[in-house]
Amino acid sequence: AQTVTQSQPEMSVQEAETVTLSCTYDTSESDYYLFWYKQPPSRQMILVIRQEAYKQQNATENRFSVNFQKAAKSFSLKISDSQLGDAAMYFCAYLGIGDYKLSFGAGTTVTVRA
Amino acid sequence: AAGVIQSPRHLIKEKRETATLKCYPIPRHDTVYWYQQGPGQDPQFLISFYEKMQSDKGSIPDRFSAQQFSDYHSELNMSSLELGDSALYFCASSFAGEITDTQYFGPGTRLTVL
Repeated sequence: AQTVTQSQPEMSVQEAETVTLSCTYDTSESDYYLFWYKQPPSRQMILVIRQEAYKQQNATENRFSVNFQKAAKSFSLKISDSQLGDAAMYFCAYLGIGDYKLSFGAGTTVTVRA
Repeated sequence: AAGVIQSPRHLIKEKRETATLKCYPIPRHDTVYWYQQGPGQDPQFLISFYEKMQSDKGSIPDRFSAQQFSDYHSELNMSSLELGDSALYFCASSFAGEITDTQYFGPGTRLTVL
């Protein structure tokens, strides 16, 4: 089974500043998908960004971007210009090609200070 | 855009009772997934269906069963409920024709077993 590790239980960031969340994973596959999901206090799971492992270019969605290092099996999320609405739990997730089960990390709670 | 619909949103049951959770996927989506999220935990995969056939099975208790119907909606049936079944149950859906098999989550059903 794939293991996804988020080593930062909590992160705090000042409004308008940048924060980076780390995620590492373990797999023997060469192709797979990686995701970041956001879970605000409402507990809704919201897709933030996704990355195909065969793509070298890092994915970007507005203020959210990733640093995908395939050899290091690292997939960090950068939130730029942090806003109060970014406060949430962020989960990193792995999906193998042809798989159905998303493997999640333990999550990182992001607090945004006004 | 249409999202995944789950009903009910909240459910309170007594021990040993049964519960049925319903999930209506995003239109055109053919794959449905069920996850269980306990307090302070990451979502755990229970089961998935593709084109009305079970496609994968995770750590789903034998007391639970699920199916996907001809209109692609899915139901998770839970019998002999235990206190430990209290959790947030997510349904997610995806379209097999999409390259990344991105799973889009519903708002969840919060089950409380007393």
